[in-house]
Amino acid sequence: GDSVTQMEGPVTLSEEAFLTINCTYTATGYPSLFWYVQYPGEGLQLLLKATKADDKGSNKGFEATYRKETTSFHLEKGSVQVSDSAVYFCALRQTQGGSEKLVFGKGTKLTVNP
Amino acid sequence: GAVVSQHPSWVICKSGTSVKIECRSLDFQATTMFWYRQFPKQSLMLMATSNEGSKATYEQGVEKDKFLINHASLTLSTLTVTSAHPEDSSFYICSAKAGGAETQYFGPGTRLLVL
Repeated sequence: GDSVTQMEGPVTLSEEAFLTINCTYTATGYPSLFWYVQYPGEGLQLLLKATKADDKGSNKGFEATYRKETTSFHLEKGSVQVSDSAVYFCALRQTQGGSEKLVFGKGTKLTVNP
Repeated sequence: GAVVSQHPSWVICKSGTSVKIECRSLDFQATTMFWYRQFPKQSLMLMATSNEGSKATYEQGVEKDKFLINHASLTLSTLTVTSAHPEDSSFYICSAKAGGAETQYFGPGTRLLVL
């Protein structure tokens, strides 16, 4: 079945450092791809998405490009802040017969130190 | 943005008892709600999908008699863990989606500990 693999954490960076969290997927067809973020004590929030190959999703300085040739959707940010500390989940949306399902990676915990 | 709440945020119960978890969409009508389970250091696993007014669709391997889901209104879905056992201890998360919308909005989760 469809699956998502993302780099294991935890990731610890200093403020203003460059961030990359790798995400690759296995799927039949061309699913929509998502990054969700979970801040401490809160529910998952959609960070960005891309629905087709070569689309770039962006939000709050984060970017990810849907790469069909490498089946990847890596998350990047040029300069992280302490407030970016959270758990990040990569996910794909699988649709079949009118129903939909989100398939998640295991999550990557990011800690940004001042 | 759309807000989804869960209640309780955490619960401790004795083995053999039943526990009910509520999921509410606070500012939109959720035609579809999803229930997930998350084990430590694991990804969220979809347990079931429920559409308002109809029976839930369970994922393979999820016992429908064990995890009872009710989606009686457009703003409320409940998950009841019946005759809970220690292996049911986990983090349960719901999400909700309005009809025709693409985005699921997630609740903050409920941590269940069965002693």
